[in-house]
Amino acid sequence: DAGITQSPRYKITETGRQVTLMCHQTWSHSYMFWYRQDLGHGLRLIYYSAAADITDKGEVPDGYVVSRSKTENFPLTLESATRSQTSVYFCASSPGISGNTIYFGEGSWLTVV
Amino acid sequence: AQSVTQLGSHVSVSEGALVLLRCNYSSSVPPYLFWYVQYPNQGLQLLLKYTSAATLVKGINGFEAEFKKSETSFHLTKPSAHMSDAAEYFCAVSVQTGANNLFFGTGTRLTVIP
Repeated sequence: DAGITQSPRYKITETGRQVTLMCHQTWSHSYMFWYRQDLGHGLRLIYYSAAADITDKGEVPDGYVVSRSKTENFPLTLESATRSQTSVYFCASSPGISGNTIYFGEGSWLTVV
Repeated sequence: AQSVTQLGSHVSVSEGALVLLRCNYSSSVPPYLFWYVQYPNQGLQLLLKYTSAATLVKGINGFEAEFKKSETSFHLTKPSAHMSDAAEYFCAVSVQTGANNLFFGTGTRLTVIP
């Protein structure tokens, strides 16, 4: 039972480069999420998706792009990375709407230099 | 709008002592409330959740939390701390309608002293 797999787990990139973080889930959950974790802020929602081809902005979407062509995949792209996007990124999924447990991946550590 | 406040970014307890991690929420509609635990270099794991059934919720690893509407609180407790409980704990809230978006507190790091 693989659950949620994030790749890469660790990435160093330069300012201005495009970076894509991959997320794959094996549960066929309808909802998928991207959060970033920063000291003093907890986790903040970047984007979420209720189903394939349906995405919506969260609390901090600026500078990020998502897509969901298949239910199991939800990549997050930083179109032009900035140092303020240095963070730990967590992908998550949930089988349904509000009240259902959200399951998290192990995180992707991104450093922008 | 929904939000949670976790009082105390760091809490230290002795092994065997009571663990109390505080969480207060703000929500304009009936909330769902969650506690997650994060061990070093890992993702978040659900400890327990309140979904408007029993107000006292029991979770994994001996943790429990009580939903108190009058105090807008959802504090996490464990009667006797173990060394393995050392981790970061996050309280989160979502609303009972619409998309399943969690709003997290800033976390409380629990240290257990031998």
